[in-house]
Amino acid sequence: AQRVTQPEKLLSVFKGAPVELKCNYSYSGSPELFWYVQYSRQRLQLLLRHISRESIKGFTADLNKGETSFHLKKPFAQEEDSAMYYCALRHNTDKLIFGTGTRLQVFP
Amino acid sequence: GAVVSQHPSWVICKSGTSVKIECRSLDFQATTMFWYRQFPKQSLMLMATSNEGSKATYEQGVEKDKFLINHASLTLSTLTVTSAHPEDSSFYICSAPRGAGNQPQHFGDGTRLSIL
Repeated sequence: AQRVTQPEKLLSVFKGAPVELKCNYSYSGSPELFWYVQYSRQRLQLLLRHISRESIKGFTADLNKGETSFHLKKPFAQEEDSAMYYCALRHNTDKLIFGTGTRLQVFP
Repeated sequence: GAVVSQHPSWVICKSGTSVKIECRSLDFQATTMFWYRQFPKQSLMLMATSNEGSKATYEQGVEKDKFLINHASLTLSTLTVTSAHPEDSSFYICSAPRGAGNQPQHFGDGTRLSIL
């Protein structure tokens, strides 16, 4: 069955520290993976998609098919990065399966 | 700016009332829209896929007679929670992919439904 797992509910770091938000997936086909972010009182918005292989707001994520992972990383966290982060997998047409989310808190 | 708009953003009503939530794509046409439900501190769960001009496709465990979906135009999908009860209180979010092909989904602001 298709599944997205985010093992950490909460990740707290100090400003300037490296951040890694973990995401693992199970999918029988060729997955398309995304990271969505939800800042306080704002809508869910796309942060990254693995096919773009780009860096957004300093975040990167590499799809590792061997480990079935798509961890989100940033070398130096900023306070404005504090938000809820969701890893999602797209299968079939456009259906998205979301992980349970990780709340990132960046302290000054 | 927002490309998917939801209305209302918050609704409080008595048990037994039917509530309609609208989801609009603002500057693009969406033949497909998606409805999610999010309980407090939990993830988004896909409820159904709304298909313009045809019946919605519901996920397993979602009562289609309870959650009526109508996608009458290329820019509007509605979710009606019929005879709502307190257990239907939740955050409902819609999304739509913008454009053809493998475009990412854009999300609405969500609708908080509180049933007394």
